[in-house]
Amino acid sequence: SQQGEEDPQALSIQEGENATMNCSYKTSINNLQWYRQNSGRGLVHLILIRSNEREKHSGRLRVTLDTSKKSSSLLITASRAADTASYFCATPKSSGDKLTFGTGTRLAVRP
Amino acid sequence: NAGVTQTPKFQVLKTGQSMTLQCAQDMNHEYMSWYRQDPGMGLRLIHYSVGAGITDQGEVPNGYNVSRSTTEDFPLRLLSAAPSQTSVYFCASSYNRLNTEAFFGQGTRLTVV
Repeated sequence: SQQGEEDPQALSIQEGENATMNCSYKTSINNLQWYRQNSGRGLVHLILIRSNEREKHSGRLRVTLDTSKKSSSLLITASRAADTASYFCATPKSSGDKLTFGTGTRLAVRP
Repeated sequence: NAGVTQTPKFQVLKTGQSMTLQCAQDMNHEYMSWYRQDPGMGLRLIHYSVGAGITDQGEVPNGYNVSRSTTEDFPLRLLSAAPSQTSVYFCASSYNRLNTEAFFGQGTRLTVV
């Protein structure tokens, strides 16, 4: 079964607006990772947040992690048309070596 | 630096045929894995390897075999293709198990007719 689940499944915003997507997971984790996938391409790593971190920034990306609620959020500020993609959270299970992905959030940024 | 290279990019098979999807990485990564991606299902782990000579099953291993004779290569074999194996397949690698980012290949789009 999948460890992480993203919410919402789809999101459509205007260029310049902020986009927020959420990830919930089921079991304890060492870290949580966010990836982007442009249509027809492989996944690209965006950011990794460790279980002892609460917030992390990378450029226009801000990720938070709440281990008590088993949830994470990805905020993309000042979105651009080029941010149009699917975004996935991924969690390695602390008990093993498997990196499992959620079903993703499809983000569409309208010019 | 090529990263993770998958071949072929596209493939059409007839039911019952066998084939090997190739994956190679040039980053000296210990950890390699194979996923399949189906609409609405996200990525599902097929098999993974934590180092040369070591492989293990993921969530959906049935119908697939893997081997890891070298650090660089991690081929995925379809033993007898079925229409249910129509999917996009991704290979990924990371430096040391799952505490660092994973690098993905560009995918192989497989259709089984």
